[in-house]
Amino acid sequence: EIVLTQSPGTLSLSPGERATLSCRASQSVSSSYLAWYQQKPAQAPRLLIYGASSRATGIPDRFSGSGSGTDFTLTISRLEPEDFAVYYCHQYGSSPWTFGQGTKVEIK
Amino acid sequence: QVQLVESGGGLVKPGGSLRLSCAASGFTFSDYYMSWIRQAPGKGLEWVSSISTSSSTIYYADSVKGRFTLSRDNAKNSLYLQMNSLRAEDTAVFYCARARAGRMFYDAFDIWGQGTMVSVSS
Repeated sequence: EIVLTQSPGTLSLSPGERATLSCRASQSVSSSYLAWYQQKPAQAPRLLIYGASSRATGIPDRFSGSGSGTDFTLTISRLEPEDFAVYYCHQYGSSPWTFGQGTKVEIK
Repeated sequence: QVQLVESGGGLVKPGGSLRLSCAASGFTFSDYYMSWIRQAPGKGLEWVSSISTSSSTIYYADSVKGRFTLSRDNAKNSLYLQMNSLRAEDTAVFYCARARAGRMFYDAFDIWGQGTMVSVSS
């Protein structure tokens, strides 16, 4: 099973600042099958990024993903008020599909 | 619009059973692999099970294998999760989700339902 470790656990930033979230895998993720989701309280997760770097439909271009192998990054170039949420990475390259434990981006 | 709506959650005693349903609309359900993902209160996401379009291939997480059964009815645009021998640690919100590109297990989940809560307690 591929274990995904996200860091930091919590990121305290102000609107307009840049957010950099990390996801490290315990073994290489096949074909960069790595996704990122955003989840707000009492809501379902929303797909942001798939294939490590492709934005899902309707996702603003301030969200970008990068990385390969075992190290992946989600960057939010300028935080908007609606971006404060929990973010999860997810690998779907090998069964069982697994998720990271999440990074909370909170308002400083 | 494209939508998934779960139902069937509730409070059940340890050892009991529940059947969750997920009704799909706004897309051709039979063209998409489908999955269940759960989230324990205050915790992260855990993949539970996935099914191919024809139901010929089904995967389960080890934590539910032998207790949960995933099925689908393409004529009714519905996905089901039969959960038996429930344990306290199964307490979670259960989400159904769609594979983004359709006919692939190795795919992100692009559409999620709102979730249904399952509580296992005596």
